[in-house]
This record gives sequence, structure tokens and C-alpha cells, in this order.
Amino acid sequence: DTGVSQDPRHKITKRGQNVTFRCDPISEHNRLYWYRQTLGQGPEFLTYFQNEAQLEKSRLLSDRFSAERPKGSFSTLEIQRTEQGDSAMYLCASSSDFREQFFGPGTRLTVL
Amino acid sequence: GENVEQHPSTLSVQEGDSAVIKCTYSDSASNYFPWYKQELGKRPQLIIDIRSNVGEKKDQRIAVTLNKTAKHFSLHITETQPEDSAVYFCAASRRAGGFYFGSGTKLNVKP
Repeated sequence: DTGVSQDPRHKITKRGQNVTFRCDPISEHNRLYWYRQTLGQGPEFLTYFQNEAQLEKSRLLSDRFSAERPKGSFSTLEIQRTEQGDSAMYLCASSSDFREQFFGPGTRLTVL
Repeated sequence: GENVEQHPSTLSVQEGDSAVIKCTYSDSASNYFPWYKQELGKRPQLIIDIRSNVGEKKDQRIAVTLNKTAKHFSLHITETQPEDSAVYFCAASRRAGGFYFGSGTKLNVKP
């Protein structure tokens, strides 16, 4: 499968724990995006990388959230001290330009 | 803040009828408008897109129109089929990257 992949697909954690998600974009794509989607809503933009540089970060992304893309390939999204309100589907997407974004299958986070 | 409004939230049509979904955006810097289809439990997939220098684009049974002055854009699906049933999201490009997404329209095509 040469599409965008995400790991894990599902994560259940207890409130206060830290979690880390991984995204592997399509190999030739230099742009990578993270979104959060809650039930019945559209994806909400979280952050954007061009190569290894994090160029944009939404106000939705509190200090407990951090994302990296150290070598301009895969990316990680870490949430520290998780809260129940963090429960959502976390989607990663990649693109080669400013247009079509290809989405991964998402990581569904449940915070108990 | 900047956002995209999408209507209706649910749409039920008879097979063979047309379906229209409308969106309004607020960021004047938006210049690219994709539409995504998301089936239950699956990832969003692009079905059609339009750039701000084009007023209309058509691909078989799907068409999108854009009124940049009014900041409106719409998705039109003709001759709907049961397999068109899904949630559809409109989106508008953000100035610094990424998209604003609408809240989605759940389309149900009744056989």
C-alpha cells in the first residue's frame, strides 16, 4: 500500500497519560498535515509541515500537543496529560503541492 | 475566526434524483476548494475540486460551482445512486496551508 499510513489505528488511554501517534506520508510528498475529527464534524486543522519545518499551528493545539517531522518524512503527534476532551479521530494527510491532500485511515483516540 | 459553513447537514433523495450541497467560506485568501466523500469508518477521499479562477467544473455526474464574489460554492450530484450515500465535506484552502472543512452533509440515496 503506497498511501498514507497511521499507527496505531486505535488507542485507549487513561486520563493524564501521554500518547504518541505516527504518520507515514506518501513518499514523494513534502507537505504533511494533522487534523482532528470528532463525531459528526468535519476535520479540524491542527498543524502543517513542509519538509521538516512546522509552518503553521492552529490555536486548537494547546501546549499539551506537540508534533514533529524530524527528517521530513514520517511525523509524530504527541499529546501529554490527555483529557477526555481529546477523544477524537486524528487524521494525517500529505500532499505534493497546495492542492489535493491524501488522507490516512486515522488514529481513533479514546480517553477514559 | 475563519471557517466554512455547510448546508444541509442531512439530505435524503430518491435514486436518480439530483443532490445539491452548499458551502460558504469567509477567508478571502482561500483559492482552492476541494470536496471530500467519507464513507462510514473510512478516510476522506477527494471527489472533485475547483480553483478560484474557475467558475464551474464537471466530472461525469458530479459538478462544482464557485461564486468567488459571494464566497459560495456548491456540489451537484446528478442521477444519484445508492453508492453515493456517504458524508460529503466541502473545504477551503487556508492562507498558510491546510484546509478549513465544513461540518459535513450526510447524503442518503434511497433505492
